[in-house]
Amino acid sequence: DAGVIQSPRHEVTEMGQEVTLRCKPISGHNSLFWYRQTMMRGLELLIYFNNNVPIDDSGMPEDRFSAKMPNASFSTLKIQPSEPRDSAVYFCASSAGTGEREQYFGPGTRLTVT
Amino acid sequence: KNEVEQSPQNLTAQEGEFITINCSYSVGISALHWLQQHPGGGIVSLFMLSSGKKKHGRLIATINIQEKHSSLHITASHPRDSAVYICAVTFSGGSNYKLTFGKGTLLTVNP
Repeated sequence: DAGVIQSPRHEVTEMGQEVTLRCKPISGHNSLFWYRQTMMRGLELLIYFNNNVPIDDSGMPEDRFSAKMPNASFSTLKIQPSEPRDSAVYFCASSAGTGEREQYFGPGTRLTVT
Repeated sequence: KNEVEQSPQNLTAQEGEFITINCSYSVGISALHWLQQHPGGGIVSLFMLSSGKKKHGRLIATINIQEKHSSLHITASHPRDSAVYICAVTFSGGSNYKLTFGKGTLLTVNP
């Protein structure tokens, strides 16, 4: 398997622009996670999907952030409008089943908002 | 407050040395994960454990539930082991998918 795939790997955008990050989980995995990593706060869970349904979005910072999972093989994280404080590395991870499971992380998208 | 503490924050070793990284947590957990992140790179899951000990190659992870403590050991360290090692837990009674992360330990192994 190719592992979790994320695109783009790097994104540089200007404040106020819309940013869309994409994730393809490992085939057969039914749990998907979006994380944000910054120097100040480390890794934080933004949103968790199970069987394509958002289960926990309590980590989504504010209304500017939204995430969708239209099918089992694709998810997006959108920021609109983007702000410089959104600059971070965004990771997507997937796991099989529910409960305690090993999570497989994608390579991340490094977002820079100027 | 549910917290995860790692020590040391930074660790420098010579190739071949035995490495120990520690993780402690404040309350009961369901499982503990050790993750590896190379500079500028992605995150790889090394171990998930809830009791005892696991070994994979030169890496060994142990956990003591009573003492709320886990260690990650690297035997015969190599420069390619240089990375950030992150401890993460799911707390008992909470959501079993929700990882709480430590701040990481930056390991540098010099040749």
